[in-house]
Amino acid sequence: KAGVTQTPRYLIKTRGQQVTLSCSPISGHRSVSWYQQTPGQGLQFLFEYFSETQRNKGNFPGRFSGRQFSNSRSEMNVSTLELGDSALYLCASSLGGGTAKIKETQYFGPGTRLLVL
Amino acid sequence: AQSVTQLDSHVSVSEGTPVLLRCNYSSSYSPSLFWYVQHPNKGLQLLLKYTSAATLVKGINGFEAEFKKSETSFHLTKPSAHMSDAAEYFCVVSSPKTDKLIFGTGTRLQVFP
Repeated sequence: KAGVTQTPRYLIKTRGQQVTLSCSPISGHRSVSWYQQTPGQGLQFLFEYFSETQRNKGNFPGRFSGRQFSNSRSEMNVSTLELGDSALYLCASSLGGGTAKIKETQYFGPGTRLLVL
Repeated sequence: AQSVTQLDSHVSVSEGTPVLLRCNYSSSYSPSLFWYVQHPNKGLQLLLKYTSAATLVKGINGFEAEFKKSETSFHLTKPSAHMSDAAEYFCVVSSPKTDKLIFGTGTRLQVFP
């Protein structure tokens, strides 16, 4: 099976612009989660989508949004970019049927590196 | 609330010597714990996963980790380091009611010839 793919791999934007990142999960996976990785804050959870619905959300401002399509592909959007949004954005997919006791494995894509100038 | 603490930000070993990367967790529930590895400019790859089936968990590339509830630890070990093991390693706990992963700050492993 093909792994998680993310496009584009690299992006350069300027402050105030908006950006859309795309993630295609492993075939059959219905859950997609997004994470932001920065040197200062480490890896932080943004949000999770399952069956086209946002199931969980992290502590990020409303400028960060996402959606999921019927084929489980997901996009995240960042509006009014700030310098601090420069980061590696990682997408992870899983089957999505885990329970509180048995957590499914999340498989990560290579990430999109966003640089805001 | 769930959290993990990686006790060393950097670990340096010689090739062929043992590796020990330390992780302590805090959880009010029986936790699900993971170790992920990130090579430069790459995504995260799962090394191993603990979900209460067995306290000693074997992963890929010769890594293993032991869950010790009394010490709230989940240390990662490998008997003999290889140059290709040089990377950043993350100890991760899963939030009990969601699929949210909570990451430690990472340990950078250097392997010298």
